[in-house]
Amino acid sequence: KAGVTQTPRYLIKTRGQQVTLSCSPISGHRSVSWYQQTPGQGLQFLFEYFSETQRNKGNFPGRFSGRQFSNSRSEMNVSTLELGDSALYLCASSGTGFSYEQYFGPGTRLTVT
Amino acid sequence: SQKIEQNSEALNIQEGKTATLTCNYTNYSPAYLQWYRQDPGRGPVFLLLIRENEKEKRKERLKVTFDTTLKQSLFHITASQPADSATYLCALDGTSGTYKYIFGTGTRLKVLA
Repeated sequence: KAGVTQTPRYLIKTRGQQVTLSCSPISGHRSVSWYQQTPGQGLQFLFEYFSETQRNKGNFPGRFSGRQFSNSRSEMNVSTLELGDSALYLCASSGTGFSYEQYFGPGTRLTVT
Repeated sequence: SQKIEQNSEALNIQEGKTATLTCNYTNYSPAYLQWYRQDPGRGPVFLLLIRENEKEKRKERLKVTFDTTLKQSLFHITASQPADSATYLCALDGTSGTYKYIFGTGTRLKVLA
């Protein structure tokens, strides 16, 4: 099976712009989670989607949003970018159960200047 | 407040020895706990999952214990090899209803040849 893919892998944006990141889960996986990873804060949960519905949400401002399509592919959007949004954004997919392990993509490295 | 702590930022051990990594948590009642490995610039890779009613889980050279009374998990790598050098993350399911997975900050393991 192909793994989780994320596009783009690298991105440079200017403060105030918006960005959309894409994630394609492993075939058959219906749950997609998004995480932000920074050296200072580690891996922080953004949100999780299952069958096009947001089931869980982390403690991030409303500038961070996401959605999931009927084919389980997911996108996350960050509006009005701030310098502090520079991070590695990771997407993970898992099976149908809440307790299934997660399979992570390679991440998108976002740099905000 | 809810917190997950992993022992020391870095752990250096000699090849062939057993590495023991610690994950302590407070103010959580997780149903299960997971361990991941992360190499620089890559997404985490799932290693093991242990449920609250399991005391120990093994997979090849890896062993995980889970003590819900002590609120602690230990992760052991026996006969360690330089290829085991990586950052190891523990993660648990947040029971607050808001989060799905909460990750520790990780322990950087370096196995010296």
